[in-house]
Amino acid sequence: QLQLQESGPGLVKPSETLSLTCTVSGGSISSSNYYWDWIRQPPGKGLEWIGTIYSSGSTYSPSLKSRLTISVDTSKNQFSLKLSSVTAADTAVYYCARRNGDRVFDFWGQGTLVTVSS
Amino acid sequence: DIQMTQSPSTLSASVGDRVTITCRASQSIGDWLAWHQQKPGKAPNVLIYKASSLESGVPSRFSGSGSGTEFTLTISSLLPDDFAIYYCQQYYSYITFGQGTRLEIK
Repeated sequence: QLQLQESGPGLVKPSETLSLTCTVSGGSISSSNYYWDWIRQPPGKGLEWIGTIYSSGSTYSPSLKSRLTISVDTSKNQFSLKLSSVTAADTAVYYCARRNGDRVFDFWGQGTLVTVSS
Repeated sequence: DIQMTQSPSTLSASVGDRVTITCRASQSIGDWLAWHQQKPGKAPNVLIYKASSLESGVPSRFSGSGSGTEFTLTISSLLPDDFAIYYCQQYYSYITFGQGTRLEIK
């Protein structure tokens, strides 16, 4: 059974860079049919898609594109998120997830809360 | 950007009721729509994809319909486990979620 696990600092200072890693177990991140995504959810609010990485590239949310980098490390079976110049508005639970060949979310991590505060 | 608007924002219902949640897209998305259920402190789970296809393992009391800009999620007979937040999500262009519908016990 595929499992995804987010890791990274739970507290980031304003103007700094938020960095998270998603470790994938029970399957290979190198499989060509899948998309590896980041989604976030501010406390008490709805879901916001951040971006995705796949075998032939990556796609970012237009609203975050200027601050965002998503990368993959196939040797560690991980993919990562870097979001620069964070503000309090970036405080959220951050989820990593997989989309299958039908582009449907089929596996999610448990989520990790990142708070932006000095 | 494609905006997704759900209605109602909150729905109060009883066990055994039939309920319908509506999702409207700001432009046509074909049938590139999914529905998710989220419970407190948990990641979402997909219920429906391609507007009307039931995800494997999801009970048949859940059904989806629609195409273009208007979509519905119907739960035919509510069970206690169904009280949760429901999100629609388009994947025609980038990915956008609706704001959510909270289904609460009346």
